[in-house]
Amino acid sequence: GQQVMQIPQYQHVQEGEDFTTYCNSSTTLSNIQWYKQRPGGHPVFLIQLVKSGEVKKQKRLTFQFGEAKKNSSLHITATQTTDVGTYYCAGLGGTSYGKLTFGQGTILTVHP
Amino acid sequence: NAGVMQNPRHLVRRRGQEARLRCSPMKGHSHVYWYRQLPEEGLKFMVYLQKENIIDESGMPKERFSAEFPKEGPSILRIQQVVRGDSAAYFCASSQMGTGRETQYFGPGTRLLVL
Repeated sequence: GQQVMQIPQYQHVQEGEDFTTYCNSSTTLSNIQWYKQRPGGHPVFLIQLVKSGEVKKQKRLTFQFGEAKKNSSLHITATQTTDVGTYYCAGLGGTSYGKLTFGQGTILTVHP
Repeated sequence: NAGVMQNPRHLVRRRGQEARLRCSPMKGHSHVYWYRQLPEEGLKFMVYLQKENIIDESGMPKERFSAEFPKEGPSILRIQQVVRGDSAAYFCASSQMGTGRETQYFGPGTRLLVL
C-alpha cells in the first residue's frame, strides 16, 4: 500500500533559524496536504498542493510539491516560538479517494 | 460557522465495555473520515463515510470496530469490548465533497482511555 515517509522526526532550532521538513511518497500522489498539530490539539489544515512543481507561500512558510508528485517540503523562515508543534504531510493517492496517508510527522521545538 | 464537532472530548472505559464516539461534520459537509492517533504516533486512516454509505473502511480493524453515518444525526464510531490497546485519540474530519481533492477539516478529537 501507499506509504508516506517524513523526515526528520525531530528538529530543535533556535528562534530565528530556518526549518525544513521533507515528505516522500512511495507512489504518485494526486495531491498533498500539510497540517500542524500542537501538543494536545488536533491537526489544523495549512495548505494543499495539487500541481506538479507547485510552490505556495504563506508568510514565512513555503510549500513545494515535486515534479513527479511524489515528494514535498515545508520550509519555515526565521522560526518563532509560535511555530512549535508537529508538522504532518498527508498524501492522497490517485485511486484512494478521501484516504489521507499521513507521514510520521516532524516535531519542531523552537528555543527562545 | 461551527467547525467539526466531536463528543465526548474525553472518554474513560474499562476493558470489555463499549465506546461510542460521535462526530458532527461542518455545515454543508457530507463526507466524514475517521483517523486514529496512538500515543506518540502519527495519524492512521480508519474509515471514510458518506451519508448512509461506507466508502472505504480499509483502515478499520476487522473486529470490534464499526462506523456509521446515518441520514440524520452525527457519524458514530463504535468500539465494542474495548482493550487497553484501543487507548488513543480518535479524530474525525469532514469535507464538502468526495472528489479526492477536498480539504479535510479535523475536529478536536476524542481521547479514549481504557483502564
